[in-house]
Amino acid sequence: DQQVKQNSPSLSVQEGRISILNCDYTNSMFDYFLWYKKYPAEGPTFLISISSIKDKNEDGRFTVFLNKSAKHLSLHIVPSQPGDSAVYFCAASRRSGGSNYKLTFGKGTLLTVNP
Amino acid sequence: DSGVTQTPKHLITATGQRVTLRCSPRSGDLSVYWYQQSLDQGLQFLIQYYNGEERAKGNILERFSAQQFPDLHSELNLSSLELGDSALYFCASSVVFGQGSSGANVLTFGAGSRLTVL
Repeated sequence: DQQVKQNSPSLSVQEGRISILNCDYTNSMFDYFLWYKKYPAEGPTFLISISSIKDKNEDGRFTVFLNKSAKHLSLHIVPSQPGDSAVYFCAASRRSGGSNYKLTFGKGTLLTVNP
Repeated sequence: DSGVTQTPKHLITATGQRVTLRCSPRSGDLSVYWYQQSLDQGLQFLIQYYNGEERAKGNILERFSAQQFPDLHSELNLSSLELGDSALYFCASSVVFGQGSSGANVLTFGAGSRLTVL
């Protein structure tokens, strides 16, 4: 049962253009959504998050949009830079009480930004 | 350097063997998480420890076990290894909650241990 889905395994964009990475989820109990970026031979690094009570969160070139009714979120990168080329993981969390916590990840989308 | 240290970085072993992966969390983080990333798969949650106690369990096989020690480092033990166990194993740590600017619990990941079972 894949609760977090990233249906596009890869995406290629030109430098300076907008990159839009999409993510769908099925569990309406998720309370936070996060995006992680992963370069080869490194662990995932946190990029940006959004609470389920918000519909938008912006941090510099990165903006995450949440559509709860559609159970869909997207990450916008504007403008895209070659250094943004990486695998992007969408993740969702549900606090299950106290210190119990689990992040559920999608399979990732490989973003390639061409110079 | 994320502050989360994983050893070894690479490990090659044979089927049926047993290996131990080690993780030192970021200073001050009490929670440790283990994730497995197989080919074409996302990050699969295995298990979470908080201050030495198991707190959440995911898709962890019975052949696998983990523990968190008093100094907060953690070990993931994989036994009776099969070819399908070949994967990247990531450790992550966190304080617990309120770490991110939006209140999300942000996990900090290590660079991973790549296990190859031949």
